[in-house]
Amino acid sequence: DVKVTQSSRYLVKRTGEKVFLECVQDMDHENMFWYRQDPGLGLRLIYFSYDVKMKEKGDIPEGYSVSREKKERFSLILESASTNQTSMYLCASSFQLAGGVYEQYFGPGTRLTVT
Amino acid sequence: DQQVKQNSPSLSVQEGRISILNCDYTNSMFDYFLWYKKYPAEGPTFLISISSIKDKNEDGRFTVFLNKSAKHLSLHIVPSQPGDSAVYFCAASWMDSSYKLIFGSGTRLLVRP
Repeated sequence: DVKVTQSSRYLVKRTGEKVFLECVQDMDHENMFWYRQDPGLGLRLIYFSYDVKMKEKGDIPEGYSVSREKKERFSLILESASTNQTSMYLCASSFQLAGGVYEQYFGPGTRLTVT
Repeated sequence: DQQVKQNSPSLSVQEGRISILNCDYTNSMFDYFLWYKKYPAEGPTFLISISSIKDKNEDGRFTVFLNKSAKHLSLHIVPSQPGDSAVYFCAASWMDSSYKLIFGSGTRLLVRP
């Protein structure tokens, strides 16, 4: 079974703090993703990585950065947390199915509250 | 500009009846569609998918229908069970960027006993 783990289930931080969210996958997947989930907005892609040290911006990268130093680990960094970054953060990794399509596996999520 | 839309935020269905969840898309380049299911405090899990070369895919109680001309897909759950109560997300991808998924906003399904 694919396992994607996230370092914290719940996190409370103050405005202006630097926040690190860690994600680890154990299936040697090339691609890893960070999303945030907000009511009525679904899952929005923040950043993704298709290889070690490689990253691409998603749809809402502002206020975030990422790091991928090892294949199994993908970190999301909030340089200076703000209240509008209060959200559920979901990490995913993906592998290629037959036919060239990909399926994503998700971690359990981190509920971040910024006060 | 939402490329994948789920216009019904919620749906309530009696146990044993059919649940139909709908999804519309605007990008004609999409060629692969997936449905994910999400329980509270858990990450989404893959449910079923369909390629654009098909119009139907079935897996047990779950069937996905694709109407390419209408840019519409639907997920049918028959019979619905209380354990199916969750948020369902529709997602789409395209061959040139097939590792990237575009998600809809989700539909919360409640199956009443």
